[in-house]
Amino acid sequence: KAGVTQTPRYLIKTRGQQVTLSCSPISGHRSVSWYQQTPGQGLQFLFEYFSETQRNKGNFPGRFSGRQFSNSRSEMNVSTLELGDSALYLCASSLGNRNTIYFGEGSWLTVV
Amino acid sequence: DAKTTQPNSMESNEEEPVHLPCNHSTISGTDYIHWYRQLPSQGPEYVIHGLTSNVNNRMASLAIAEDRKSSTLILHRATLRDAAVYYCILRDSGGEYGNKLVFGAGTILRVKS
Repeated sequence: KAGVTQTPRYLIKTRGQQVTLSCSPISGHRSVSWYQQTPGQGLQFLFEYFSETQRNKGNFPGRFSGRQFSNSRSEMNVSTLELGDSALYLCASSLGNRNTIYFGEGSWLTVV
Repeated sequence: DAKTTQPNSMESNEEEPVHLPCNHSTISGTDYIHWYRQLPSQGPEYVIHGLTSNVNNRMASLAIAEDRKSSTLILHRATLRDAAVYYCILRDSGGEYGNKLVFGAGTILRVKS
């Protein structure tokens, strides 16, 4: 069974640009979460979507947004990129509330 | 969010058991104890979880104190591939927080050959 797939794996963007990252959850999983990982702040929760609705949001500015499609695939968008947005962005999926959460390998974003 | 405390780092010899401790004195009755690990350049990987009783799976064992204020992840025979950051996380079984995981700094496990 395929795991959580994230694309692209690596990308470089310039300050002020925007970026969209994509996540395909494990087949049948309806919950998709996003996390940011940086050396200074560690792993931080961004938001979670369940059946196309955002039901949890972390403490990030409005430049960070996401959405989930009817097939459970999810995208996250960061607008007006800042140098501090350079990070590993991780997507995770789960069947539901009490089920195991599985992570993808992440998208490495470098902002220059 | 309930908090966990883990040692910053630990070291083990290959093929020896490793006991990774975690303190969670503010754990609530509905919190499950979850362990994840993150190998270099990879996303976190689920290891094991438990509520009250000790748990075993093919990867590890989880020993939970009777008062649930601490737990220990046990790797029975450490290999070089077990070198990773290990995270102990409390997850609300009531589902109030959905699938939000709150990661601490974790324990860096180094395995020597």
